[in-house]
Amino acid sequence: EAGVVQSPRYKIIEKKQPVAFWCNPISGHNTLYWYRQNLGQGPELLIRYENEEAVDDSQLPKDRFSAERLKGVDSTLKIQPAELGDSAVYLCASSYRRFPGELFFGEGSRLTVL
Amino acid sequence: DQQVKQNSPSLSVQEGRISILNCDYTNSMFDYFLWYKKYPAEGPTFLISISSIKDKNEDGRFTVFLNKSAKHLSLHIVPSQPGDSAVYFCAAESNRDDKIIFGKGTRLHILP
Repeated sequence: EAGVVQSPRYKIIEKKQPVAFWCNPISGHNTLYWYRQNLGQGPELLIRYENEEAVDDSQLPKDRFSAERLKGVDSTLKIQPAELGDSAVYLCASSYRRFPGELFFGEGSRLTVL
Repeated sequence: DQQVKQNSPSLSVQEGRISILNCDYTNSMFDYFLWYKKYPAEGPTFLISISSIKDKNEDGRFTVFLNKSAKHLSLHIVPSQPGDSAVYFCAAESNRDDKIIFGKGTRLHILP
């Protein structure tokens, strides 16, 4: 069974540029998460989807971050414009059940903003 | 305010000995606790979990203990092996809002 696939693995951009991350969850997993992990910290939830509905986006900085999950499968997380403080690893995870949430993570997309 | 705390950033243990990783939490409404393991340049992988109605869950070399009165849980690995060297994240979840809160992690080094 294929795992959660994320791309790109690494991205280096200048501040104020846009960037997008893509995630393909495990087939059949209805719940999809985007987490951000800063250096030396644990993952912090940005947004959670149940199918195509964003059910928790309370931690998503909506002035510059946006996300979508078309047809309840793949998802894209966008940052526009990027700031220096956005440098982090962006992790996508999926789950086959709402609770308890055993999450299956992708390898992450490491963003460096210069 | 950190709801899930892992106060030891790192831990070194001799191969073959027991590794004990600790985690404290502040929210008594958490229903479920999970441990994840992370290797460099990889995403975290699920290791073991425990419901708040239990006080122990065992899976091979891994055992998680929950002390609800102290709001404390621990992960025991015995015997420790070189492949156990990784960062371990404690996480907690409430059925009420489905939020999974992670601690900052503890880096475990297994010494030869």
